[in-house]
Amino acid sequence: EDKVVQSPLSLVVHEGDTVTLNCSYEVTNFRSLLWYKQEKKAPTFLFMLTSSGIEKKSGRLSSILDKKELFSILNITATQTGDSAIYLCAVRRIQGAQKLVFGQGTRLTINP
Amino acid sequence: GAVVSQHPSWVICKSGTSVKIECRSLDFQATTMFWYRQFPKQSLMLMATSNEGSKATYEQGVEKDKFLINHASLTLSTLTVTSAHPEDSSFYICSARAGVLGNYGYTFGSGTRLTVV
Repeated sequence: EDKVVQSPLSLVVHEGDTVTLNCSYEVTNFRSLLWYKQEKKAPTFLFMLTSSGIEKKSGRLSSILDKKELFSILNITATQTGDSAIYLCAVRRIQGAQKLVFGQGTRLTINP
Repeated sequence: GAVVSQHPSWVICKSGTSVKIECRSLDFQATTMFWYRQFPKQSLMLMATSNEGSKATYEQGVEKDKFLINHASLTLSTLTVTSAHPEDSSFYICSARAGVLGNYGYTFGSGTRLTVV
């Protein structure tokens, strides 16, 4: 059975800190790993990773995938209160119904 | 960009009644729609996958007779929670996929918070 595990489940830091969120997976026929940010309602897309070792970057956020060790990390530098959200990791397989398997999410709280 | 409109955004209903949730793709054709539920402080759990014009594929443990999914057109999919009970109270969210989209094919609706009393 496909499995996606995120850690930590909850994290509270001060504004300006740097955080690293983890996502490990066990999926047959891995195709890609996606990161989403969920605030009040719909998840918003952050990154999609398919190749190992290539960092994706967007402003203060960056992510990298290790296909050998089956994990990904999401880094946020110089955190702001607006970064407070649930961060979701999802994995997609090559075959099958194109569905995403989500991890439990990491609830990140940035205190001023 | 691709937009999925989901409504209602919240609904309160009495036990035993049915509730219908709609998801519409506004500017693209959604050949595949995914329905998720999310309990407080938990992640998205896939309930079913529907393809336009065919029966939905339900995940293990999801009652197909309780959660009726209809995907009759390329722009509309509905989820009906039948004979709702308090334990069905949850956040329901849809995701649509069609061809090549900016966010690699998965656009989420804004979700529906269902409370059964």
